[in-house]
Amino acid sequence: DQQVKQNSPSLSVQEGRISILNCDYTNSMFDYFLWYKKYPAEGPTFLISISSIKDKNEDGRFTVFLNKSAKHLSLHIVPSQPGDSAVYFCAASAEETSGSRLTFGEGTQLTVNP
Amino acid sequence: DAMVIQNPRYQVTQFGKPVTLSCSQTLNHNVMYWYQQKSSQAPKLLFHYYDKDFNNEADTPDNFQSRRPNTSFCFLDIRSPGLGDAAMYLCATSRDGYGYTFGSGTRLTVV
Repeated sequence: DQQVKQNSPSLSVQEGRISILNCDYTNSMFDYFLWYKKYPAEGPTFLISISSIKDKNEDGRFTVFLNKSAKHLSLHIVPSQPGDSAVYFCAASAEETSGSRLTFGEGTQLTVNP
Repeated sequence: DAMVIQNPRYQVTQFGKPVTLSCSQTLNHNVMYWYQQKSSQAPKLLFHYYDKDFNNEADTPDNFQSRRPNTSFCFLDIRSPGLGDAAMYLCATSRDGYGYTFGSGTRLTVV
């Protein structure tokens, strides 16, 4: 049972435009959500997070939106840059679980074309 | 810089030959995790240590074991690797579930 799903395996955008990456989850106990960026042959690096008490969190070019009723979150990158090309993973955790382990989506490969 | 280090970056092992992957951290985080990621799939948690307490995921095969001799080090032991165990193995740490930090991973090939 895939509790976190990223339905788009890949996304291609032009430099300077907006990139929107989507993520859906099924477990209503999830209360903390994160986005990670992963380059080939490297481990995931933290990008941005959001708590379930918020519906938006912004950090520079990156904004994460959370719609709890729809169990949906999205990551917006504006403007997109070629260096943003990577695999983006959505992850979720439930605070009360031991160690707050993360459940990941399958990832979306973002390609930003110059 | 404080970090999570995984060695080796690439590991080739023979079918059925025990192999150990290592992870060390300088963050003094109390939680350490091992994830398995196969190509185009989500990273999957195998187990984690919360301080000294070992927490195994229900569907982690018995073939996978872990040791955490101290706060800084954690090992993943695969007792009899099969072809299906070829994957990227990611170590991560956190402080009580916050500040998750990943290592660069070990790519395991089974021949």
